[in-house]
Amino acid sequence: SQTIHQWPATLVQPVGSPLSLECTVEGTSNPNLYWYRQAAGRGLQLLFYSVGIGQISSEVPQNLSASRPQDRQFILSSKKLLLSDSGFYLCAGSMGFDGYTFGSGTRLTVV
Amino acid sequence: DQQVKQNSPSLSVQEGRISILNCDYTNSMFDYFLWYKKYPAEGPTFLISISSIKDKNEDGRFTVFLNKSAKHLSLHIVPSQPGDSAVYFCAASPSRGALNFGKGTSLLVTP
Repeated sequence: SQTIHQWPATLVQPVGSPLSLECTVEGTSNPNLYWYRQAAGRGLQLLFYSVGIGQISSEVPQNLSASRPQDRQFILSSKKLLLSDSGFYLCAGSMGFDGYTFGSGTRLTVV
Repeated sequence: DQQVKQNSPSLSVQEGRISILNCDYTNSMFDYFLWYKKYPAEGPTFLISISSIKDKNEDGRFTVFLNKSAKHLSLHIVPSQPGDSAVYFCAASPSRGALNFGKGTSLLVTP
C-alpha cells in the first residue's frame, strides 16, 4: 500500500523568505503526485500535479513552484513567501485511480 | 470556478441519528465520486466512493447516493457516533483525472 510522508508538520516563516516542503512516497512506483492547499473557507485547492519525473502541471498561477526530481519525491517551493501563502499544505499520491492517499500535511504560517 | 459544491459549511447531529451530507457538481464529465474525512491537523482519509454507473454504494454505517440527473450526491451516516465528528470533503473526477474537492462540511455529532 502507498504511504505519503510530509515534513515538517508546522512551519512559521517571515514574509519574503524561501520555502521548501518535501513529500516522499513509499510503497509504490510511478505514482501520480499532487500538492493541495487548504486555506480558510476555501476547501482543498489543487496547486500542482505530476505524472512522472520532471513533469509538473500547474493548476493555479501563484507564487509557488513544484519539482519532481525523483519518482517518489515531490517538492513545493517558493522564492519569496507572501502572507497569502499561509495555509495547510497537503501532498497526495494515486496509483491508477482508486482515489488519493494523503500525507499528514504541513501547517505554514507566514508572518 | 467551484465545480464541486458543498453548500452546508457545518452540520450538527445527535448521536444515534442519521447524518446527511450533501454535495453538488457542475461538470457532466465527472464520473467518479469520493468522500474523504479529515480531522484537524491531519491529511484527509478516504471514506467511500461511487462510480457513475451506480446510484448507491454502502460500506457499514456509510452510504453514498448518486443522482446523476440532478448532479447531486449525498453521504449518509447511520447511526452517527461522536467519533464521526470531522470535516467531510466531497470530491469528483473525470476518468483518471485530478480530483476536484468541495469546500467541506464540518460535522459535529453530540452525545
